[in-house]
Amino acid sequence: NAGVMQNPRHLVRRRGQEARLRCSPMKGHSHVYWYRQLPEEGLKFMVYLQKENIIDESGMPKERFSAEFPKEGPSILRIQQVVRGDSAAYFCASSPSLSGRAVDSEQFFGPGTRLTVL
Amino acid sequence: QKEVEQDPGPLSVPEGAIVSLNCTYSNSAFQYFMWYRQYSRKGPELLMYTYSSGNKEDGRFTAQVDKSSKYISLFIRDSQPSDSATYLCAMRRNGGSNYKLTFGKGTLLTVNP
Repeated sequence: NAGVMQNPRHLVRRRGQEARLRCSPMKGHSHVYWYRQLPEEGLKFMVYLQKENIIDESGMPKERFSAEFPKEGPSILRIQQVVRGDSAAYFCASSPSLSGRAVDSEQFFGPGTRLTVL
Repeated sequence: QKEVEQDPGPLSVPEGAIVSLNCTYSNSAFQYFMWYRQYSRKGPELLMYTYSSGNKEDGRFTAQVDKSSKYISLFIRDSQPSDSATYLCAMRRNGGSNYKLTFGKGTLLTVNP
């Protein structure tokens, strides 16, 4: 069973360009989460999506950032007009369900996309 | 005050040592407590999880939660060079936005052969 896939693994953009990060959840998982890891900081929750629905985007910056999880295909985290402060590792996680049991709700992380803004 | 505090280290120990990693937190709503291991340039991997207070043991790893003190620990016995990684504590609520993991900054551990 393949794990969470993310691509690209490394992405370099110049200021003002757009960055598109992709995440394919584990097979059978319908819940996707994006986290950002800034240098010298812990992972911070950004957004939680289910197929075709944004459930919670309370951790997303209000401007330039958007996320989607279409019916078909991977989840996309899109950053428009990137700035140097967007340089970070972006991790996607997926889980099979949100039952009360922790094991059912375990989030499995992908290897991350490291974004560098020049 | 941050919700979760974790000493970033770095921590360097000889092979075979007992390692103690710790986090404190301020939000009493946290009910699930996790430890993730993250190797360099990789994603976090769940190592241990505990619900509420108590101990949990898995091989060389023991997780402890003391909710009265808002303090969690991870002990690694007979540490190995392959344990060298960053260890992240994480926690979440029960109910409500229980999907949202709140992480510590991580502690970088090096086990020297």
